[in-house]
Amino acid sequence: NAGVTQTPKFQVLKTGQSMTLQCAQDMNHNSMYWYRQDPGMGLRLIYYSASEGTTDKGEVPNGYNVSRLNKREFSLRLESAAPSQTSVYFCASSPTGVGEKLFFGSGTQLSVL
Amino acid sequence: AQSVTQPDIHITVSEGASLELRCNYSYGATPYLFWYVQSPGQGLQLLLKYFSGDTLVQGIKGFEAEFKRSQSSFNLRKPSVHWSDAAEYFCALMRGGRRALTFGSGTRLQVQP
Repeated sequence: NAGVTQTPKFQVLKTGQSMTLQCAQDMNHNSMYWYRQDPGMGLRLIYYSASEGTTDKGEVPNGYNVSRLNKREFSLRLESAAPSQTSVYFCASSPTGVGEKLFFGSGTQLSVL
Repeated sequence: AQSVTQPDIHITVSEGASLELRCNYSYGATPYLFWYVQSPGQGLQLLLKYFSGDTLVQGIKGFEAEFKRSQSSFNLRKPSVHWSDAAEYFCALMRGGRRALTFGSGTRLQVQP
């Protein structure tokens, strides 16, 4: 069972560069999420997609865009990377409904120099 | 706005000792509450969740948590800690009707032999 797969696992960018973080789930889940994790701050929600075709902002959406390409895939794009976006990024998915268990990917460690 | 506070950044316990990790929340109604665990280099895994009903909930790996409305708390406990429990633990809150979680800043557990 692959579960939630994120690529790449590591990435180094220069300030101003753009990149897309990819996430795919093979569990037929409706909802998908992007979180960032910073030391001492826990996980903060960037964007989420409650179902295919919809996306909503979370706590910290500035500097990011998302695309729910289909039911399986939910990508996160940094158009012009900044050092403040250095973080570990986690994609997660959940079946449907409120309060369902989240399934997390193993994370992408991003450094912006 | 809702929030989750984990007062202890780092806790060290001896193997075989009991464990209690604290979590306090701020929310106007009864929230959905969760505990997740993150092993080094991994995504998060759900330990247990509280939606309603019995205020003492049992989870995986021998963990339990007790919801106390009067104290706005949802503390995680384990009677006897194993070395493999060393990890970071996150308390999280979900508002009724929303799918996205608000996480606390985490507590890192170290287990001494």
